Amino acid sequence: GENVEQHPSTLSVQEGDSAVIKCTYSDSASNYFPWYKQELGKGPQLIIDIRSNVGEKKDQRIAVTLNKTAKHFSLHITETQPEDSAVYFCAASMNSGGYQKVTFGTGTKLQVIP
Amino acid sequence: NAGVTQTPKFRVLKTGQSMTLLCAQDMNHEYMYWYRQDPGMGLRLIHYSVGEGTTAKGEVPDGYNVSRLKKQNFLLGLESAAPSQTSVYFCASSYSGQPQHFGDGTRLSIL
Repeated sequence: GENVEQHPSTLSVQEGDSAVIKCTYSDSASNYFPWYKQELGKGPQLIIDIRSNVGEKKDQRIAVTLNKTAKHFSLHITETQPEDSAVYFCAASMNSGGYQKVTFGTGTKLQVIP
Repeated sequence: NAGVTQTPKFRVLKTGQSMTLLCAQDMNHEYMYWYRQDPGMGLRLIHYSVGEGTTAKGEVPDGYNVSRLKKQNFLLGLESAAPSQTSVYFCASSYSGQPQHFGDGTRLSIL
């Protein structure tokens, strides 16, 4: 089955700096890669996603890149703000018998220091 | 527009007791999911549903049952709770087959 590894597990950055979270996946059948932000006491929130036919996608201060050959994808947050502090999860998804099987990474706790 | 609502938010059970977790969505989504989240692990899929009246097993279905009698509701049942089922449970829904909207979770402790 699919295996998603996520690094680092914790990340501290100064406000205004950039943050990068990296994930690798094992199954080349994965074709959709969402990223979720989870604030304390809340459920995960889909913040950005990328499909396998796209190499990069941006949405304001966040961007995702995908390298299909190397089977890795990354989340980039620029000009970090204290409200970016949260746990971020990557995931890899593939079609599996009529539904999209989603495998999540283990999460990165991001702390933005004011 | 409430999105995905989970009840209860917290619960403490004794080993062997039963309970039902309720998930309700008001977005007319076909797909609904139940996940569990444990420390140091990603979310793991327990059961899912692709429409009213349908259910299917996910990665970790043992010890749980589900029902989707109405499109907007997805119930997760524990027939005989075990300490290994202590976890945070999340419900999610979507129209596309990818989990998009999550509830805020039910924190369940089994003593």
